[in-house]
Amino acid sequence: SYELTQPPSVSVSPGQTARITCSGDALPKKYAYWYQQKSGQAPVLVIYEDSKRPSGIPERFSGSSSGTMATLTISGAQVEDEADYYCYSTDSSGNLWVFGGGTKLTVL
Amino acid sequence: EVQLVQSGAEVKKPGESLKISCKGSGYSFTSYWIGWVRQMPGKGLEWMGIIYPGDSDTRYSPSFQGQVTISADKSISTAYLQWSSLKASDTAMYYCARREVVGATVDYWGQGTLVTVSS
Repeated sequence: SYELTQPPSVSVSPGQTARITCSGDALPKKYAYWYQQKSGQAPVLVIYEDSKRPSGIPERFSGSSSGTMATLTISGAQVEDEADYYCYSTDSSGNLWVFGGGTKLTVL
Repeated sequence: EVQLVQSGAEVKKPGESLKISCKGSGYSFTSYWIGWVRQMPGKGLEWMGIIYPGDSDTRYSPSFQGQVTISADKSISTAYLQWSSLKASDTAMYYCARREVVGATVDYWGQGTLVTVSS
């Protein structure tokens, strides 16, 4: 089996920087992807291939990866960024894809 | 516009069978993978498996192998997730999502299908 580990929760005040981490043994060689899921809605891709931002995603969302940890950074978090965030990646074989356990971001 | 439209909510009894669907439009359905994701009430996302409609190549996550069947009908741009005998623990929201062939970005998601299994 393969696991991606995220903190259960992160809390920041509006305008502060939120950082959500994702730890996995294969991350040095495999990309991480990040999804935002607001209550009652389907997930939305916010970062792909570690650090690329899809069109339509605000610039305050960025991603990075170093060693066995990928990080989603929200610079100047807004109240509307409150959501669950999930990382997604694969094991070293590339055959087993998993989501992290999710991180609940609170902005208040 | 790329869209994945899923079938409506279902309420079933334990032991019943079920097949839910995901219809793709706005892109070449046979050129992308379609994956299925489970989200149990109040819980996180779980990757179940994936199918390539172009040749029906199908891969399951170990936790779901033998528990569900993923299929696709490329003639109508529709992927399916089915159960032969539902359990109460299958109660969840199920999402389909499109994944790129080159790279692995899962970029578009369906709206979800809520499956409730209760006696």
